[in-house]
Amino acid sequence: DTAVSQTPKYLVTQMGNDKSIKCEQNLGHDTMYWYKQDSKKFLKIMFSYNNKELIINETVPNRFSPKSPDKAHLNLHINSLELGDSAVYFCASSQDPGFYLIYEQYFGPGTRLTVT
Amino acid sequence: AQSVTQLGSHVSVSEGALVLLRCNYSSSVPPYLFWYVQYPNQGLQLLLKYTTGATLVKGINGFEAEFKKSETSFHLTKPSAHMSDAAEYFCAVITNAGGTSYGKLTFGQGTILTVHP
Repeated sequence: DTAVSQTPKYLVTQMGNDKSIKCEQNLGHDTMYWYKQDSKKFLKIMFSYNNKELIINETVPNRFSPKSPDKAHLNLHINSLELGDSAVYFCASSQDPGFYLIYEQYFGPGTRLTVT
Repeated sequence: AQSVTQLGSHVSVSEGALVLLRCNYSSSVPPYLFWYVQYPNQGLQLLLKYTTGATLVKGINGFEAEFKKSETSFHLTKPSAHMSDAAEYFCAVITNAGGTSYGKLTFGQGTILTVHP
């Protein structure tokens, strides 16, 4: 059983297009995250949702808009794609967002986005 | 601001040899520290974490790490490397998500471990 799944696994698109990445978790967790891993493997958090509410919003361009229709899903929509958006995007979930993150974050397999 | 620095972007060992991956942190408060592993084309998996208590932390797959406050380090070790340990390893620390009461994981640059037969 897949705990955190993402679709699609690979996404190739042209500059200026709009695309979405979907994430689903079947762990019953309350908190979900989006991370971006750039070409140098640097991994950085973008957003976090707890019970469908946005709780962490790092300095991410407005072209990126997360949406959480329910606790089990967190989608990422990207408008007007740019070359610099090419990266691997990881979804993750945890039981609780609490400050000390005692609860482990479970990561999805990633979506490799290539913008040409 | 709290951060972690991983010394060495690539580490190469022979199968059966000691694995040592270095991580130093900077923090003005007692840090909560983590090691994650990423196998090729996969997401990250938690290896181990230090929160409070015992400074020697044991994780999965025979890995362990020791929190040394005096050295501000949290190095990851494994006595005997296996071919299946080849992956990228990330050290992380909890930092405050600015303007909120929530924490977030801040990752180091990653260290690629290669294991030779």
